[in-house]
Amino acid sequence: KAGVTQTPRYLIKTRGQQVTLSCSPISGHRSVSWYQQTPGQGLQFLFEYFSETQRNKGNFPGRFSGRQFSNSRSEMNVSTLELGDSALYLCASSLGLAGPNEQFFGPGTRLTVL
Amino acid sequence: AQSVTQLDSHVSVSEGTPVLLRCNYSSSYSPSLFWYVQHPNKGLQLLLKYTSAATLVKGINGFEAEFKKSETSFHLTKPSAHMSDAAEYFCVVTRGVGSGNTGKLIFGQGTTLQVKP
Repeated sequence: KAGVTQTPRYLIKTRGQQVTLSCSPISGHRSVSWYQQTPGQGLQFLFEYFSETQRNKGNFPGRFSGRQFSNSRSEMNVSTLELGDSALYLCASSLGLAGPNEQFFGPGTRLTVL
Repeated sequence: AQSVTQLDSHVSVSEGTPVLLRCNYSSSYSPSLFWYVQHPNKGLQLLLKYTSAATLVKGINGFEAEFKKSETSFHLTKPSAHMSDAAEYFCVVTRGVGSGNTGKLIFGQGTTLQVKP
C-alpha cells in the first residue's frame, strides 16, 4: 500500500506570494491533518479535514487555509507569505474513526520564504 | 487542554547501553499517548501508542513505554541502544477513547538522541 505523498517536496517563494501544497493520503484514509514544523516552535497542528469538512483547527491566522476533495486528497494554502512561514509542512492521514487513530505522515514539503 | 513536556532536549548514550527519554503530559481528558521518531530528512514514524489498554506498551525496534497516570508520565525506554537509533523523538498526546475525535496531535518539543560508538 502506497504511503502518504506530498507535493512538491521543496518550494521557494518570496514574501507576499501565496502557495498551495498538496497531500495524497493512504488509500482508504478519510482524515488528513496538517502540521507545521520549525526549529523554534516545533511541530504545531494546523487543521484536520475529514470527509471534505474541517473538523479541527489550530491557532494559526486566517492566511492558512485548506480543503479536502471527495477522493480525500487535501491541499493547504498560505496567502501573503511571511518570512516566518518558512517551515517543513507535514501532512498525516488516518482512518478518521472515533477514538485515537494512528496518523501516518508524509515526507513533508520544505517551504522557504525569501 | 492538553500539553506535553519532554524533559530533555538532548540525550547522549553509548551503543549497547540503555536509553531513557522522558515525557510528562497534561490532559483534561483521558489521554492517548504516542511516541514518534524522525530520522534526518525523513518523515515521522510511529514507535508505539498507548490507548487505555495495557499500561506497558511495546513498540517497534525494541522500544517500550510505560503509562503512569499518577505521575502523568510516558517515558520511552530501550534496553540497548543501536547506532541506527540516533534520531529525533517526539512524545505526543491526543484525546483518548471516548473523549471526542482525535485528529489533532499535540507534540512535545522533541528529544535528540545521540548514540556514540
